[in-house]
Amino acid sequence: DQQVKQNSPSLSVQEGRISILNCDYTNSMFDYFLWYKKYPAEGPTFLISISSIKDKNEDGRFTVFLNKSAKHLSLHIVPSQPGDSAVYFCAADDNTDKLIFGTGTRLQVFP
Amino acid sequence: DAMVIQNPRYQVTQFGKPVTLSCSQTLNHNVMYWYQQKSSQAPKLLFHYYDKDFNNEADTPDNFQSRRPNTSFCFLDIRSPGLGDAAMYLCATSATGDRETQYFGPGTRLLVL
Repeated sequence: DQQVKQNSPSLSVQEGRISILNCDYTNSMFDYFLWYKKYPAEGPTFLISISSIKDKNEDGRFTVFLNKSAKHLSLHIVPSQPGDSAVYFCAADDNTDKLIFGTGTRLQVFP
Repeated sequence: DAMVIQNPRYQVTQFGKPVTLSCSQTLNHNVMYWYQQKSSQAPKLLFHYYDKDFNNEADTPDNFQSRRPNTSFCFLDIRSPGLGDAAMYLCATSATGDRETQYFGPGTRLLVL
């Protein structure tokens, strides 16, 4: 039973345009959400997070939006750059110091 | 630089032959995690340590064991690897109460022949 779902396994975006990666969750106990980025042959690295008391968090080109009623969050990257090409994992935390990960979305940014 | 190190990066073992994967950290974090990730799947938590307190996930097979002799090191022991255990194994650390992030190592890819 997948509690965190990333239904798009891949996404292809032109450089300079916006990338939108989506994530859905089922457990209403999740109160903290994170996005991790993973390059080949490396471990995931933390990108951005959002608490359930917020609906938006922005860090430079990266913005995460949270819609609690829909149990949905999204990561916006604008403008997209070729170096953003990676696998992006959505993760959720129910305040137990454990993360539940989605299956990832592979983003490719082409020139 | 403070980091999480996993050795080896690639491990080949034979069906049924015990294997140990290692993880070390220079971050002095008290929480350490082991994840299993199979192709196109989400990283799946196997177990984690709060200091020396071991916490096993309910669905982690008995075939998987772990040791944490000190703060810096943590080992994953697979007693009798099966073909289905071939995967990427990720080690991560965090500081208790720090909800910001877990720091991951580069992973060890296990191949079972």
